[in-house]
Amino acid sequence: GDSVTQMEGPVTLSEEAFLTINCTYTATGYPSLFWYVQYPGEGLQLLLKATKADDKGSNKGFEATYRKETTSFHLEKGSVQVSDSAVYFCALSDQTGFQKLVFGTGTRLLVSP
Amino acid sequence: GAGVSQSPSNKVTEKGKDVELRCDPISGHTALYWYRQSLGQGLEFLIYFQGNSAPDKSGLPSDRFSAERTGGSVSTLTIQRTQQEDSAVYLCASSLVPDKANFGSGTRLTVV
Repeated sequence: GDSVTQMEGPVTLSEEAFLTINCTYTATGYPSLFWYVQYPGEGLQLLLKATKADDKGSNKGFEATYRKETTSFHLEKGSVQVSDSAVYFCALSDQTGFQKLVFGTGTRLLVSP
Repeated sequence: GAGVSQSPSNKVTEKGKDVELRCDPISGHTALYWYRQSLGQGLEFLIYFQGNSAPDKSGLPSDRFSAERTGGSVSTLTIQRTQQEDSAVYLCASSLVPDKANFGSGTRLTVV
């Protein structure tokens, strides 16, 4: 079945450092890809998404490009802030019905001043 | 309210007891999902409802788990004869259009 694999954390960075969180997927067909973020004490929020190959999703300085040839959707940010500290989940939606989401295990990001 | 509401926010129960978790989706959202987030694990799909169609129950881990959605709105997830491995955060989400699920803050269930 469909699956998502993302790098284990925690990822610890200093403020203004460059961030990459790797995500690869296995799916039949052409899923949509997502990054969700969970800030401490809050619910999951959609960060960005891409619905087809070569699409780039972006939001709040974060970017991810849908790479069909490498089945990847890596999350990047050029300069992280302390407020970016959270758990980041990569996910895909299958193409049947109303597209339930399949999530990775999450990567915790810790940004220090 | 404007978002997905879940209750209770925290629940501690004794092993062997039954529990009910409630989800109030965003008004008008036709799709409703339940997920489970265990410590150190990703989000595990449990069940989803779409309009009046038969629910997709493929993620329910055992027959102790069941869910209902009444009138196409409120949903209740029931766990019978709870076990310690059921301890997790149970998340509900709803959506009106594909690719745009809105999540609640979850119910943290602890089985002692």
